Order: sequence, then C-alpha cells, then structure tokens
Amino acid sequence: DTAVSQTPKYLVTQMGNDKSIKCEQNLGHDTMYWYKQDSKKFLKIMFSYNNKELIINETVPNRFSPKSPDKAHLNLHINSLELGDSAVYFCASSQGGKGQPQHFGDGTRLSIL
Amino acid sequence: KQEVTQIPAALSVPEGENLVLNCSFTDSAIYNLQWFRQDPGKGLTSLLLIQSSQREQTSGRLNASLDKSSGRSTLYIAASQPGDSATYLCAVWGYQLIWGAGTKLIIKP
Repeated sequence: DTAVSQTPKYLVTQMGNDKSIKCEQNLGHDTMYWYKQDSKKFLKIMFSYNNKELIINETVPNRFSPKSPDKAHLNLHINSLELGDSAVYFCASSQGGKGQPQHFGDGTRLSIL
Repeated sequence: KQEVTQIPAALSVPEGENLVLNCSFTDSAIYNLQWFRQDPGKGLTSLLLIQSSQREQTSGRLNASLDKSSGRSTLYIAASQPGDSATYLCAVWGYQLIWGAGTKLIIKP
C-alpha cells in the first residue's frame, strides 16, 4: 500500500540513451511533482502537474519531458542523457498545489556512464 | 529571490541530548514552512508543517517554530535517539517551494 512509488529505484545507463522513470500515487492527490536532488543535496523542482495540466516548468532542458496519462501517474522521460543528468530524482504528490504538504517517493538514482 | 539556508550542515550529538536545527529564509512572504527527514536511499518524510499564521507545531518529541519576521525556523528534537539519525531538510512555500540543503544529524549511542 505504498503511497508514492517510483520505478526503477536505480538506473545505470550510458550517455546518449533515452530513459523513463515512472511514478504512481494512490493517495487520490491531484498534483504531482518531479524533483532533482544534486550531489550537494539541494532539491530543485522540475515539473508540477495539476489534474494533468503542467503548472510549473522550471528551467530544465527540453530533453526532459513529463508525461501524465492520468492524475495518479506522472512519468519522466529523458532523451539523450548527459553526464550532468546523474542525480536522484524524486516524485511527490499533494492534494492541491501551493502550500500543501507533499508526499515523496523513495527516489530513483540515475547514474550516467 | 527566496533562499533557504540550514546551519549547521552536519551535527553529531550523544544519545539523549536535546538539540535544535536551524533554518533561515530571506523572503518572509511565505505560505508555510515544512520540515522533512531523509534517510539514506529513501525519500523524504514530512515531519511538521507550519502555516505562515502559526508560531509552532508539535509532534511527539519534535517541535518546530516559525518566526516569519526574522526569517527563521527551528526544529527542536527532545531526548534524541539513534533512530533520529538522518538528514533534516526544511522547505519554504512562497511563489514556489524552495529547499534548504539539509542538516545531517548523527546521534551516537
């Protein structure tokens, strides 16, 4: 009965490949997020979806594309992976957007060789 | 532009001690502030959320305070235990959610 689940937990791949990370939440929340946590542990928001509509799109490369088939899922697709993409990516969800408490998945550790 | 700072970056204390973690932010126009803990290889667990109109929130051995005017929040942990060892992050909701870099806490048995 995991609330926010991400797959895979670890992803090791070569530069230039295309990969996807999946996220699902069973909390009935209407907003989902993707964060990137860099080596210095800073969390930076990448995307936010509310009822399948993009409401935040920070200055991330367009190689990153969020895909939300329904409000319980927000997948992250990454094209042409680069060394600098190595990080831990977290999915989160909340009921309502700004100011609402967020629930996080366990993260996906992406390593680019 | 909102900036969130957490000091110290790391803290090691003996079991049983009371301790305080600090979080400061530069823009006082916030909706709320949230404290999280992150265990190695795990996601973030929400500990406490303080609305901008509140001064403090308590949950068990944890007490979080908020002073908007001075741009500060503290997380007080009473009677620390080894299981409290983790990285503690604060996040501030203003225009967007801005995170501190965290304080890595080690409780020595």
